[in-house]
Amino acid sequence: AQSVTQLGSHVSVSEGALVLLRCNYSSSVPPYLFWYVQYPNQGLQLLLKYTSAATLVKGINGFEAEFKKSETSFHLTKPSAHMSDAAEYFCAVRGSSYKLIFGSGTRLLVRP
Amino acid sequence: DSGVTQTPKHLITATGQRVTLRCSPRSGDLSVYWYQQSLDQGLQFLIQYYNGEERAKGNILERFSAQQFPDLHSELNLSSLELGDSALYFCASSVTAAGETQYFGPGTRLLVL
Repeated sequence: AQSVTQLGSHVSVSEGALVLLRCNYSSSVPPYLFWYVQYPNQGLQLLLKYTSAATLVKGINGFEAEFKKSETSFHLTKPSAHMSDAAEYFCAVRGSSYKLIFGSGTRLLVRP
Repeated sequence: DSGVTQTPKHLITATGQRVTLRCSPRSGDLSVYWYQQSLDQGLQFLIQYYNGEERAKGNILERFSAQQFPDLHSELNLSSLELGDSALYFCASSVTAAGETQYFGPGTRLLVL
């Protein structure tokens, strides 16, 4: 069965600092992996996805993620945080029956 | 804007009542998924429909049911509501049943009093 673990329910960074949000997955088959962002009182917006092509995936808003099979990780990074990046971020793996299995989320706080 | 629409945006009701949540997928998408987001359970898959047929079931209670109509919109029916059903309910859609990319609607926030 597939599962996702997000380390750190809250991450706080200064504006301009590196953003690193951690995600580890468990999957018995080659995984499809996703990062979604949820702004307050809004739905989930797809940031990027990995579907077994390039291991470094670039997404919207300057985010990228690297698939590392040996570490079963799919961490999300952004070189320089903006105040507008403050939101909750969810890592997900496509599970059996093609449903998405989500991690518990990481709330990103950006300090001025 | 993902192109997925959900109505209503907010719903307040009482225990024991029945409500219907509506979702219209993106143009061209045949598959609809329903998810529930709550503080204690996080984001959980409920059910999937593809072109009018049920394809997969997740942690959906027997009090809950869904359907997808010929015009591809979907409805999630929640009955005999309990306080614990208060949550944000999301609909997502994808082109195929395999759900390579699921696009989410803005959600319906349900509050059961």
